[in-house]
Amino acid sequence: SAVISQKPSRDICQRGTSLTIQCQVDSQVTMMFWYRQQPGQSLTLIATANQGSEATYESGFVIDKFPISRPNLTFSTLTVSNMSPEDSSIYLCSVGHLPNTEAFFGQGTRLTVV
Amino acid sequence: DQQVKQNSPSLSVQEGRISILNCDYTNSMFDYFLWYKKYPAEGPTFLISISSIKDKNEDGRFTVFLNKSAKHLSLHIVPSQPGDSAVYFCAASSQGAQKLVFGQGTRLTINP
Repeated sequence: SAVISQKPSRDICQRGTSLTIQCQVDSQVTMMFWYRQQPGQSLTLIATANQGSEATYESGFVIDKFPISRPNLTFSTLTVSNMSPEDSSIYLCSVGHLPNTEAFFGQGTRLTVV
Repeated sequence: DQQVKQNSPSLSVQEGRISILNCDYTNSMFDYFLWYKKYPAEGPTFLISISSIKDKNEDGRFTVFLNKSAKHLSLHIVPSQPGDSAVYFCAASSQGAQKLVFGQGTRLTINP
């Protein structure tokens, strides 16, 4: 298993601003992912955070809106840029070790944009 | 295109009885399936998984059944306990990738 710490746990932000969410893992992990859960919806994958290279984004998500960093095997950040109320969601960091094994999730960051 | 579907948004079960949560998928490339439980203000917690080479996996009170021909899986919880009240998500992945496709979730309520 892995212990995943996300910061902040929640925030209320003004539209047009940006928020950076941090994800710290207690051990080195192969895979790190960022998901979004909009109100009343399922979890949707935003991107795979690649160590030392650009993140791989899913359809509908772009680097300019959701820049991601992963400087090492235990840490990643997701920035939500130029926020609008539609960005109000829970953002979750997830990590995995081996193929066809479970992925673990942080507690999430609840973002409200006003 | 909802590749993983949980058609029941909610389910209410009496304590001690069996809870059955269902999940359907459309992508035949999916070969690994997982169930997660989520409490409010927490991240999803892994419950149980199953590979497509199996049709059943059991862990304590939790059993997952996979019917590949029907592209259907189910999670059985027996006996159900009040602490099982949560939102349950079905998820799937393919070809060893750990990025997951989630269903919409089912809110399970266990009544005393």
